[in-house]
This record gives sequence, C-alpha cells and structure tokens, in this order.
Amino acid sequence: EDKVVQSPLSLVVHEGDTVTLNCSYEVTNFRSLLWYKQEKKAPTFLFMLTSSGIEKKSGRLSSILDKKELFSILNITATQTGDSAIYLCAVVGNNDMRFGAGTRLTVKP
Amino acid sequence: NAGVTQTPKFQVLKTGQSMTLQCAQDMNHEYMSWYRQDPGMGLRLIHYSVGAGITDQGEVPNGYNVSRSTTEDFPLRLLSAAPSQTSVYFCASSYRLRDTQYFGPGTRLTVL
Repeated sequence: EDKVVQSPLSLVVHEGDTVTLNCSYEVTNFRSLLWYKQEKKAPTFLFMLTSSGIEKKSGRLSSILDKKELFSILNITATQTGDSAIYLCAVVGNNDMRFGAGTRLTVKP
Repeated sequence: NAGVTQTPKFQVLKTGQSMTLQCAQDMNHEYMSWYRQDPGMGLRLIHYSVGAGITDQGEVPNGYNVSRSTTEDFPLRLLSAAPSQTSVYFCASSYRLRDTQYFGPGTRLTVL
C-alpha cells in the first residue's frame, strides 16, 4: 500500500535556527513529490520535485529528492516566527496524490 | 479569477442527515479532488476526478459520493452523516494529477 511518512511530527525551534524536515515514501509508479505549507487555512504550494539530486530553492527554503532512497528533505535556514506552520509532503503515484501527516513547526522568538 | 471556491465554510449536521459540499474552480483544471483533514493524520483523499464524467475512489471513500457533470464543479455528498465524518474538508484542483494542486479555503463540518 502506498504511504508517505513525515518526521518529526512536531518541532520547536528558536528564531535563527536551521531545520530539516523529512519525508519518506513508498508509492507505486512515482511521478512527483510536492511540499506544501499550511498555516491557518488551506495548504499553499512550496516546491515540486521530480528528479533526484536537483535542489529547488526559494529564499531560505530549499528541498531535494532522492529517488533511490525514496525520501525528500525540506530545509529552512535562519527561521523566523512566520515560518511557524504545518509542512505537508505529498507524493503523486499512479492515480492519486498521497499526503503525509505533516510536521508542525513552531518558531519561538 | 476566483480560483477554487468552497461552500459552505462551516456546517453542523445531526447524525443521519445528508448534505452536499460545493466546490468550483474557474481555471479549466481537469483534475479535481476532495480531501479530509483530521488532527495528526494529514490530508486523506476521499474521491477524485480526472475530467468531466470521470470519478474514482481515493483512500477513504465510504460514506461519500461525488459526480463531475462539468469541468468546473465537483460536489461532495454525504449520504447519511456520522460523527466520524466530523472534519475539515478541502477541495483541490490542478491541470493534471502530477501538477501543483490549488486548494479551496475548506469547509469545517461537525456532525453531532
């Protein structure tokens, strides 16, 4: 059965820290992996990854995919209180998009 | 563009009642889907559609029906509401399955 596992489930850091969020997956016929940020309402898109080893970067956020080991990481450097959110990893397989449970990140001042 | 819209934003039902959650998108997306989000469980796929007239079950389809008569609309029907269906429901759409999905604002449903 397809599954997506995120770790840790929750994380508390202080402003300025660097964090690494993990996403491992087992999906039939992998097509892509996506990262979303969810604050109070609907998830918003961060990155889509389809190829191994190519880093996607947006400001202080970056992500990379390893299709051999079946995982992805999301890095956030110099964290700010505005980064506090749930970060969701989703993997597209044959017919659907499967989400992990999410990592709840709290950044304290 | 309105993007993905959902109505209602909040709903309280009694056990056994039926209702329809509305979802519409104006981006001409082929792929639409419904998720439910429960604490600690992420988003779970209920039903999805790859185009008008085509729907299929996701991870947790029991107790829900969908139809896709037009590209724009993808309503979700609860046949006989149960307390286990208390959740936040999100509708999403994309050009294709593997593309970025755009989410609606969500519907918070409580079944008493």
